[in-house]
Amino acid sequence: NAGVTQTPKFQVLKTGQSMTLQCAQDMNHEYMSWYRQDPGMGLRLIHYSVGAGITDQGEVPNGYNVSRSTTEDFPLRLLSAAPSQTSVYFCASTDSGREQFFGPGTRLTVL
Amino acid sequence: SQQGEEDPQALSIQEGENATMNCSYKTSINNLQWYRQNSGRGLVHLILIRSNEREKHSGRLRVTLDTSKKSSSLLITASRAADTASYFCATYAGGTSYGKLTFGQGTILTVHP
Repeated sequence: NAGVTQTPKFQVLKTGQSMTLQCAQDMNHEYMSWYRQDPGMGLRLIHYSVGAGITDQGEVPNGYNVSRSTTEDFPLRLLSAAPSQTSVYFCASTDSGREQFFGPGTRLTVL
Repeated sequence: SQQGEEDPQALSIQEGENATMNCSYKTSINNLQWYRQNSGRGLVHLILIRSNEREKHSGRLRVTLDTSKKSSSLLITASRAADTASYFCATYAGGTSYGKLTFGQGTILTVHP
């Protein structure tokens, strides 16, 4: 099993550009989530999904969109990148209430 | 807002010493989990303790949970340089929370050889 995979590992964007961060898991987990991690802070939940076709907002959803067309994939879209979105992004999956499995992260810089 | 508040924010010890990190939270929980993050990497699950448990062990890790005080502690015994990492507590509320976890800000542990 590959677990949770994320691409790309690094990305530099200019303000106003859009992009999609990819996340995939092969553990057949229903629940997937996206977090951002800023220096000196813990992880903050952006969006999450409890199954294919079902998504909801987390703590810091503004500026991001998600969709969940399959159990395996949960892409995160930045609509119009802003410097405040410079962060490290982590995708995770789990069976509800149990340990979460994290991807290796995407380090995003917005200039 | 962060559910968990961790204390201390940073901890520096010598190899062989024990390291204790504390986590406090605000609302009732179904379980509490501890994660480790090595620099530049994703988080790795260490241990999960349910709300009806008071203590749990895994290797050199010992976790306690006091639901009356809404607090938990993680003890790493006989620390090693390889234990140098950030440690996060995360709470799961249960019910309609599905898989949502709320993370604390973390404790940075440095173990000197």
